[in-house]
Amino acid sequence: DVKVTQSSRYLVKRTGEKVFLECVQDMDHENMFWYRQDPGLGLRLIYFSYDVKMKEKGDIPEGYSVSREKKERFSLILESASTNQTSMYLCASSTNPGGTGNTIYFGEGSWLTVV
Amino acid sequence: AQSVTQLGSHVSVSEGALVLLRCNYSSSVPPYLFWYVQYPNQGLQLLLKYTSAATLVKGINGFEAEFKKSETSFHLTKPSAHMSDAAEYFCAVSEAGANSKLTFGKGITLSVRP
Repeated sequence: DVKVTQSSRYLVKRTGEKVFLECVQDMDHENMFWYRQDPGLGLRLIYFSYDVKMKEKGDIPEGYSVSREKKERFSLILESASTNQTSMYLCASSTNPGGTGNTIYFGEGSWLTVV
Repeated sequence: AQSVTQLGSHVSVSEGALVLLRCNYSSSVPPYLFWYVQYPNQGLQLLLKYTSAATLVKGINGFEAEFKKSETSFHLTKPSAHMSDAAEYFCAVSEAGANSKLTFGKGITLSVRP
C-alpha cells in the first residue's frame, strides 16, 4: 500500500513563528502536493512539485514556501505564521505521467493552530 | 481552467435509502474525475475515478458514479446507505498534462439516520 506520512498530526504555534510541516511518501512518486482544507472551502492547492528541487505555485501560495531536496520528502514552510493560517494541511503524492488520471494518495493531515 | 461544483454542503438520508451526491465540472479538455471520501480526523481516500473508459464507474463500499458529458456531471450514488457511510465526500477533476493536479469541490457532508 502507498503510504504518505505527515510528521505531525497536531501542532500549536505562536504568531510569527516559522513552521515546518514535513511529508514523506514511500512509493517513489514524482509528484507531491500540499493542500489546505477549510470548512466550506474544500481543498485548495498551495504548492506542488513534480520533481526534486522543482516546485510550482498552486492556487493559494501566499505566506507559504516549500522544499523538495529528496524525491520522497516534501516540506511546507510557513515563514511567519499568522492566525489565518490555522487550518488542516494535507500532503499528497502521485506518480507520472500525468494526464492518465493517476490517483493522488493523501496523508492523514496536520492540524495547525496558530495562536 | 477546471472547476468543480458540489451543490449544498450537507445531505441527510435514512439508513437503507438511496444516496445521491451531485457533482458538476467544468473543463476545457476531456477531464479525469474522482470522488474521495474523508472520515473524521483522517485524510482522503479514493472512492472511484473516471479516466475515459466506461462511463459508469464502480468504486469501493458499493458506490458508483456515472460520467455524463452532455450534462457535465459525475454524480455519486449508492443504492442503500449504511451508517458507516457518514463522512465528507469530495468530487475532484484533473486534466491531461496537469501533472495529476486535482481541483476539488467544496465537499458534501453525508449524515445517515438510523
